Amino acid sequence: EDQVTQSPEALRLQEGESSSLNCSYTVSGLRGLFWYRQDPGKGPEFLFTLYSAGEEKEKERLKATLTKKESFLHITAPKPEDSATYLCAVPDKSDYKLSFGAGTTVTVRA
Amino acid sequence: EAQVTQNPRYLITVTGKKLTVTCSQNMNHEYMSWYRQDPGLGLRQIYYSMNVEVTDKGDVPEGYKVSRKEKRNFPLILESPSPNQTSLYFCASSLTAGTQYFGPGTRLTVL
Repeated sequence: EDQVTQSPEALRLQEGESSSLNCSYTVSGLRGLFWYRQDPGKGPEFLFTLYSAGEEKEKERLKATLTKKESFLHITAPKPEDSATYLCAVPDKSDYKLSFGAGTTVTVRA
Repeated sequence: EAQVTQNPRYLITVTGKKLTVTCSQNMNHEYMSWYRQDPGLGLRQIYYSMNVEVTDKGDVPEGYKVSRKEKRNFPLILESPSPNQTSLYFCASSLTAGTQYFGPGTRLTVL
């Protein structure tokens, strides 16, 4: 069974303090890894798709990277508006079932 | 505006009283899906639909039913709700399974 594990569960940062979130997965034949952002009380919002080891994607202060076993979401010089829960997910072989990690809740203090 | 809508947003009901949560998307997506989100367990897929009249079970389908009679709509039916179905529910749609657009969520409490 596909497994997606995220760490840490929670991350408290000072504004400007860069850090990284981890998403490790066990899936045979990775068919993409997806990052989402979820604000309290709202639905997840798609951020990135990564397909192959070595691939990187950037959006504002966020950069996602992918290796053969894990993905990292780097937050550079975060601002309070980056506070959210970040979720990663992988599809199964059918591309129709998506398995999500439990998420990392990031809190950025001004 | 491209969006996924869910109704109701909040619902408190009692054990055994049938209910339906509606989901509608205006992006002409073929793929739609239902998830539940619980503290510590994350998002878990209940059912998904690849197209009209084509549905399949996700990881936690027990106690739920779905139907896909129109491309834009994908209602979630709880025939006999129980307290363990108290949760936050999300509907999503997409062109492919990974890049999904989520609705605002329905918070369900079953007493």
